[in-house]
Amino acid sequence: RKEVEQDPGPFNVPEGATVAFNCTYSNSASQSFFWYRQDCRKEPKLLMSVYSSGNEDGRFTAQLNRASQYISLLIRDSKLSDSATYLCVVASLGGYNKLIFGAGTRLAVHP
Amino acid sequence: DVKVTQSSRYLVKRTGEKVFLECVQDMDHENMFWYRQDPGLGLRLIYFSYDVKMKEKGDIPEGYSVSREKKERFSLILESASTNQTSMYLCASSPSGEPQHFGDGTRLSIL
Repeated sequence: RKEVEQDPGPFNVPEGATVAFNCTYSNSASQSFFWYRQDCRKEPKLLMSVYSSGNEDGRFTAQLNRASQYISLLIRDSKLSDSATYLCVVASLGGYNKLIFGAGTRLAVHP
Repeated sequence: DVKVTQSSRYLVKRTGEKVFLECVQDMDHENMFWYRQDPGLGLRLIYFSYDVKMKEKGDIPEGYSVSREKKERFSLILESASTNQTSMYLCASSPSGEPQHFGDGTRLSIL
């Protein structure tokens, strides 16, 4: 079983739609959680950290469920520019020194 | 703004060659990382370094070595390149306790 699992997609949604991605992780001792965004043939870029209480950044909301060991990302009012692969990332014990990446979920927003 | 620079965007080498991939960061970060990214597998950590001349094996160190003689530079070395090392290689850096920032990536082909 992979340490971090994501549905690869693709999720094909129209502009303006709300879309949600889930991610599960296997190590219950994981400490920190992130969502990264990766455009085609580009490097991953930090989208947002995920906090236990949940956090929001504009149209993006991230939530963490430690009991069920999953993380979610909700995107409201999708834009064409949101089309990308979204990587779920979990930091193992010791903090940021070792990140475990999911394989990513591909989102395609169409007009 | 954080800048992580990888020496080449595209590189083609032959089986058996010794290959050097260079990464430089300009933010005085303690931690530097080398990953490879393959379709369906996500990013996998090869090696990381938390200080000059210090290195730690990641999840897939076989066939690779690293060098960190200066804080800003972290080199990945393929001792004797093989076709299964054809991949996208990503360098990242971070200060302690902070998320990682990635370079543009090097798409390496071994023929």
